[in-house]
Amino acid sequence: NAGVTQTPKFQVLKTGQSMTLQCAQDMNHNSMYWYRQDPGMGLRLIYYSASEGTTDKGEVPNGYNVSRLNKREFSLRLESAAPSQTSVYFCASSDRDRGDNQPQHFGDGTRLSIL
Amino acid sequence: SQQGEEDPQALSIQEGENATMNCSYKTSINNLQWYRQNSGRGLVHLILIRSNEREKHSGRLRVTLDTSKKSSSLLITASRAADTASYFCATNFGNEKLTFGTGTRLTIIP
Repeated sequence: NAGVTQTPKFQVLKTGQSMTLQCAQDMNHNSMYWYRQDPGMGLRLIYYSASEGTTDKGEVPNGYNVSRLNKREFSLRLESAAPSQTSVYFCASSDRDRGDNQPQHFGDGTRLSIL
Repeated sequence: SQQGEEDPQALSIQEGENATMNCSYKTSINNLQWYRQNSGRGLVHLILIRSNEREKHSGRLRVTLDTSKKSSSLLITASRAADTASYFCATNFGNEKLTFGTGTRLTIIP
């Protein structure tokens, strides 16, 4: 009953360092998403993937890259971390095959601090 | 840009009272969804209401949708301490993406 699993849960980076945030879902969902959550801003979509092998930009894609490795896994990479990327990052998935009116299922987030 | 705006930003009520929070949005939608977020956790889906529906119930939750006013409300009846959380509305325009509001922080006082 894992649902959406994100690793790591916490990370501190120095400006300019790179890292990859991992996300995996075990619900056989086609669609996966990466969001960032900042105080008072709600969630903003960074990238999403409608299916294995496809990705598309969301509202705030600059400074990030993504890889949809297979149907289960969707990773988010920061190539050169900046303090403005300090945030809580959430991965989500949904069952697009059942139509548009589907909820999204979220992981518990990665809390990332860039010094 | 945020599509939905929740009101109020924060709400504190006594346990057992009802809690009402509102969401306004700007453009036509396919559906509107409400999510709950407990401190330090991810979002959990509560209820989805389609654009052709006006009211929906799920347990102690009641959601209304007024497409003419581009607004929705979430009512939690007989509140419990466990309802303390942030609540977000999210709008869908007929594709796979959701646009989230800024949230209402609900505190239930025992």
